[in-house]
Amino acid sequence: KAGVTQTPRYLIKTRGQQVTLSCSPISGHRSVSWYQQTPGQGLQFLFEYFSETQRNKGNFPGRFSGRQFSNSRSEMNVSTLELGDSALYLCASSFTGSDYGYTFGSGTRLTVV
Amino acid sequence: KQEVTQIPAALSVPEGENLVLNCSFTDSAIYNLQWFRQDPGKGLTSLLLIQSSQREQTSGRLNASLDKSSGRSTLYIAASQPGDSATYLCAVMDSSYKLIFGSGTRLLVRP
Repeated sequence: KAGVTQTPRYLIKTRGQQVTLSCSPISGHRSVSWYQQTPGQGLQFLFEYFSETQRNKGNFPGRFSGRQFSNSRSEMNVSTLELGDSALYLCASSFTGSDYGYTFGSGTRLTVV
Repeated sequence: KQEVTQIPAALSVPEGENLVLNCSFTDSAIYNLQWFRQDPGKGLTSLLLIQSSQREQTSGRLNASLDKSSGRSTLYIAASQPGDSATYLCAVMDSSYKLIFGSGTRLLVRP
């Protein structure tokens, strides 16, 4: 069974640009969450979607946004990139979010120069 | 505010040792607790999931326990192997479906 697929695996962007990351959850999973991982802050929650609705959002500026499509695939967008946005962005999926564990993808490594 | 702490931050042991990783959390109102493994530059691999009503889960050489009332979980690894070398992360799910992670324990198993 296919796991959580994140594309692209690596990205290099310039300050001020915007970027879109994609996540395809495990088939049947309706909850998708996004996390940012940096050496200094560890793993931090960005947002969680269930059936196309954002149920929760972390403490990130409005430059970080996301959406979920009817097939449960999700995208996150970061506008006006800053050097501090360089991180590993991880997507995770679950059936419902609460009763089952999350399965994580391999992540997208974003480098902002 | 939920806070998750993992002790020790790093651990180096010879192959074959049994070891215990500790995780503590400040708010007992959790849905579940999950242990993950992360290899350098990679994503997270789920090891064990313990629901809030459960006390422990086992998978192969791994055993995780949960004491919600005291805000503690332990991950026990039996007969450690060099392939177990990785960072181990503990995460609790709060009532808003958010995972709150500890900072991890970096494990090195020496041949």
